[in-house]
Amino acid sequence: DTGVSQDPRHKITKRGQNVTFRCDPISEHNRLYWYRQTLGQGPEFLTYFQNEAQLEKSRLLSDRFSAERPKGSFSTLEIQRTEQGDSAMYLCASSLGLEKGYEQYFGPGTRLTVT
Amino acid sequence: AQSVTQLDSQVPVFEEAPVELRCNYSSSVSVYLFWYVQYPNQGLQLLLKYLSGSTLVESINGFEAEFNKSQTSFHLRKPSVHISDTAEYFCAVFATDSWGKLQFGAGTQVVVTP
Repeated sequence: DTGVSQDPRHKITKRGQNVTFRCDPISEHNRLYWYRQTLGQGPEFLTYFQNEAQLEKSRLLSDRFSAERPKGSFSTLEIQRTEQGDSAMYLCASSLGLEKGYEQYFGPGTRLTVT
Repeated sequence: AQSVTQLDSQVPVFEEAPVELRCNYSSSVSVYLFWYVQYPNQGLQLLLKYLSGSTLVESINGFEAEFNKSQTSFHLRKPSVHISDTAEYFCAVFATDSWGKLQFGAGTQVVVTP
């Protein structure tokens, strides 16, 4: 169990640019979640995959955001035409669901700064 | 829809003193409850969880939380804190009619001083 990994750990970009983040879940976990955390707040749910199927998207996920999980393994989160309000920590988590008591294992996060 | 309220944004506490972090939730369906901890510059780690059974759950490092259905609360306690307990603590709920997404509170920053 190597844990959930995320890449990059930090990203600084200029407003209007596109960015893509990657998440590698724990290998046998079929569920994968993306959350966003801003300063002084708890994480907010963005989207959820079960295997390769994206089953739920938050209203926070505007049409500038897209997420994929090809072949049910790693996932990517892309933000197009970034805005300063997108600056946040983007967290990925994976889970086995009921098998492990719904425990979600979190990665270290990608901190995005939009200038 | 669910909501989670952590009543204290920051809790200063002296080393070896007890601490209680309050968490209240609202939900129209049954929920599972979690406490996560985030140490400085680290990711979120699960501290403890309540799914069913005994309403008092314990972690390996001395924390405990009690599920109170009538008061819709899941307060976290530790009888004697260490400097190393300095961290941010998040309460989270999982609605049993959802896909498993967690709804988090805003967090409580615990600062332990000697």
